[in-house]
Amino acid sequence: DQQVKQNSPSLSVQEGRISILNCDYTNSMFDYFLWYKKYPAEGPTFLISISSIKDKNEDGRFTVFLNKSAKHLSLHIVPSQPGDSAVYFCAASANNNDMRFGAGTRLTVKP
Amino acid sequence: DTEVTQTPKHLVMGMTNKKSLKCEQHMGHRAMYWYKQKAKKPPELMFVYSYEKLSINESVPSRFSPECPNSSLLNLHLHALQPEDSALYLCASSGLGQGKNIQYFGAGTRLSVL
Repeated sequence: DQQVKQNSPSLSVQEGRISILNCDYTNSMFDYFLWYKKYPAEGPTFLISISSIKDKNEDGRFTVFLNKSAKHLSLHIVPSQPGDSAVYFCAASANNNDMRFGAGTRLTVKP
Repeated sequence: DTEVTQTPKHLVMGMTNKKSLKCEQHMGHRAMYWYKQKAKKPPELMFVYSYEKLSINESVPSRFSPECPNSSLLNLHLHALQPEDSALYLCASSGLGQGKNIQYFGAGTRLSVL
């Protein structure tokens, strides 16, 4: 049962434009959401997170939006840079230890 | 330092072999995790250790045996694996207690079972 879904396996954007990665979840008990970035031959690296009491969290070029009623979150990267090219995983947890991941979206930023 | 170190990076083993995967962190984290990731799939949680005690076992077959000798080390002992167990095995660690805790991942061990 896939509780966290990333329906776009890949996304390609031009350098300087906005990248929007989407994530949906089914478990209404999830209350903490994270985005991880993964380069080949490396483990996932934490990028940004958001608690369910917020609807937006911003860190530099990265902003995560949470729509609890729609059980949807998104990651905005602006402006996108070629170095942002990686696989992005959405993750969610209902407590501190049990985290569920989406299948990932491969972002390619073209120069 | 947010480094989680996993060894070996690659492992090839036969179905009758016994091998171990190792994971180490020095961030003072008291929760450590094993995940399994197949190609084009999300990481799937296998085990969670909290304060060196097994707290979550996601119905993993007994041919995978975790061990947490101390707060910095986590092992995964492998025995009589099947070819379908070939995957990337990721270790992670996090803090515990109030608040939400970010899991920090190692680079993984890519396991091939022949």
